[in-house]
Amino acid sequence: EAGVAQSPRYKIIEKRQSVAFWCNPISGHATLYWYQQILGQGPKLLIQFQNNGVVDDSQLPKDRFSAERLKGVDSTLKIQPAKLEDSAVYLCASSLGQSQPQHFGDGTRLSIL
Amino acid sequence: AQSVTQPDIHITVSEGASLELRCNYSYGATPYLFWYVQSPGQGLQLLLKYFSGDTLVQGIKGFEAEFKRSQSSFNLRKPSVHWSDAAEYFCAVVISGANNLFFGTGTRLTVIP
Repeated sequence: EAGVAQSPRYKIIEKRQSVAFWCNPISGHATLYWYQQILGQGPKLLIQFQNNGVVDDSQLPKDRFSAERLKGVDSTLKIQPAKLEDSAVYLCASSLGQSQPQHFGDGTRLSIL
Repeated sequence: AQSVTQPDIHITVSEGASLELRCNYSYGATPYLFWYVQSPGQGLQLLLKYFSGDTLVQGIKGFEAEFKRSQSSFNLRKPSVHWSDAAEYFCAVVISGANNLFFGTGTRLTVIP
């Protein structure tokens, strides 16, 4: 089966600019996750979708981060405006359901100048 | 507070030697437990998982892990390490009935000839 697809793989922007990431989960996976992985740390959950509804966004900095999964398949994560501390790898994952094993994409490495 | 601890930040082993990576958790309820591996520039790949039943779990690439409730541990083992095993290893926990994967900070494995 095809894995979780993410794009772009790399992105370099200046602080205060905007950026968007895209994720296409594994076909049939109802649950989709966005994680932030800062260098030297484990991934931290930003937001979780069940189909097109938000299950948990308690760790999402909502003043600058937003995410959507309008048709319950693909998802986009946006940062506007970006700060230096947003430099990280942004990982998308999907699973058949909640508490099921998650399958990860290769991530988008974001560098803020 | 809930936490996942990987006490070893970096481990170096010789090729062919045995390996044990430690993971401890602090949760009141019985968690679901996972080990993921991350190669440079890539996403996380699931090595193995424990939900219930036999406390010794077999995974991919020759890895195994043992759940010890009395020690709140889920250590990862491999009897003979290969150079291709060099990567970052993450222990993760999901509380039964909850949604989020909580990751440890990771252990970086270096394999020397």
